[in-house]
Amino acid sequence: AQTVTQSQPEMSVQEAETVTLSCTYDTSESDYYLFWYKQPPSRQMILVIRQEAYKQQNATENRFSVNFQKAAKSFSLKISDSQLGDAAMYFCAYRSENFGNEKLTFGTGTRLTIIP
Amino acid sequence: GAVVSQHPSWVICKSGTSVKIECRSLDFQATTMFWYRQFPKQSLMLMATSNEGSKATYEQGVEKDKFLINHASLTLSTLTVTSAHPEDSSFYICSARDLGRVNQPQHFGDGTRLSIL
Repeated sequence: AQTVTQSQPEMSVQEAETVTLSCTYDTSESDYYLFWYKQPPSRQMILVIRQEAYKQQNATENRFSVNFQKAAKSFSLKISDSQLGDAAMYFCAYRSENFGNEKLTFGTGTRLTIIP
Repeated sequence: GAVVSQHPSWVICKSGTSVKIECRSLDFQATTMFWYRQFPKQSLMLMATSNEGSKATYEQGVEKDKFLINHASLTLSTLTVTSAHPEDSSFYICSARDLGRVNQPQHFGDGTRLSIL
């Protein structure tokens, strides 16, 4: 079974600064997907960024980028130029590429606070 | 883009009541939907995988007679919490993926906050 670990229950960053959220995972599969989801107080799950394991290039989405280290099974999220609207719970998630096993396995989450 | 609608968004009811939560994919077909449960300040835990036209697959420790799942069409899955008790109070959220589109991520409903008095 796959496991996802987020070792930082809480993080804070000054507005306009950069913050990195950590995520590690464990799997015996070679092909899979990794995701970062944002959950604001409204509790809606918002996809921030995704990474296919077969791609060596790190995914980027505007101010959000990842550092994907497949051998180390590490998948960190970097948020640049932090904004007040970035405050939320952030969940790292794993999904197998195997058809029929598409459930998401989530980490325990990191609560991000933005300091004005 | 693809949207998943979940209804109701908030339910308050008395202990012993059964509560039905609906999850609809609005502009795509979903042969598989997922039901998660989230306790306050905790992560999402998968309860079951809902399969259109067949029985749901429940995760270990989830009572299938307590949480009834019906996936009668390609766009609708329902979760019924039977004889709900205060310990069933939680946030329930569904997700689905458009299998007709390659490499699409799962889309989540907005969740249902269930409070049992």
